[in-house]
Amino acid sequence: DVKVTQSSRYLVKRTGEKVFLECVQDMDHENMFWYRQDPGLGLRLIYFSYDVKMKEKGDIPEGYSVSREKKERFSLILESASTNQTSMYLCASSLGGQGSGEKLFFGSGTQLSVL
Amino acid sequence: DQQVKQNSPSLSVQEGRISILNCDYTNSMFDYFLWYKKYPAEGPTFLISISSIKDKNEDGRFTVFLNKSAKHLSLHIVPSQPGDSAVYFCAASGSGGGADGLTFGKGTHLIIQP
Repeated sequence: DVKVTQSSRYLVKRTGEKVFLECVQDMDHENMFWYRQDPGLGLRLIYFSYDVKMKEKGDIPEGYSVSREKKERFSLILESASTNQTSMYLCASSLGGQGSGEKLFFGSGTQLSVL
Repeated sequence: DQQVKQNSPSLSVQEGRISILNCDYTNSMFDYFLWYKKYPAEGPTFLISISSIKDKNEDGRFTVFLNKSAKHLSLHIVPSQPGDSAVYFCAASGSGGGADGLTFGKGTHLIIQP
């Protein structure tokens, strides 16, 4: 079974803090993603990476950055946390390729609260 | 603008009956469609998918139908069970092999009533 592990289930931070969300996958997947989920807005893509040290902006990258130094690990960084970044953050990975390779495997999520 | 639309935020169905969840898309480049199920405080889990070369895919109680001309897909769950109560997300992928992720709808909260 594919396992995508997010380091924290719940996190509480203060406005202005630098926040690191870590994600590790154990299936040698090429692609990794960070989404956020908000009520009524669905899942929105923040950043993604299709290879080590490669990163691409998703639909809502403002206020975030990412790091992929190793294939299995993809980190999301909030440079200066703000209250509008309170959300459920979901990491995902995929094997890549047409069809079933596009299927995303998600971690359990990190519920981040910024006070 | 939303490329994947789920117009029903919630749906209530009696246990044992059929649940039908709908999804519309606008991008004609989408060629692979997926449904995910999500419980509160958990990550989404894959349910079923369909390629654009098919119009139906079945897996146990779950069937997905695709109408390409109408840019519409639907998920049928029959019979509905209490454990099916969750938020269901429709998702779509273009021809890039998935390297740029999936585009999701806003979700439909399915409630199965006893």
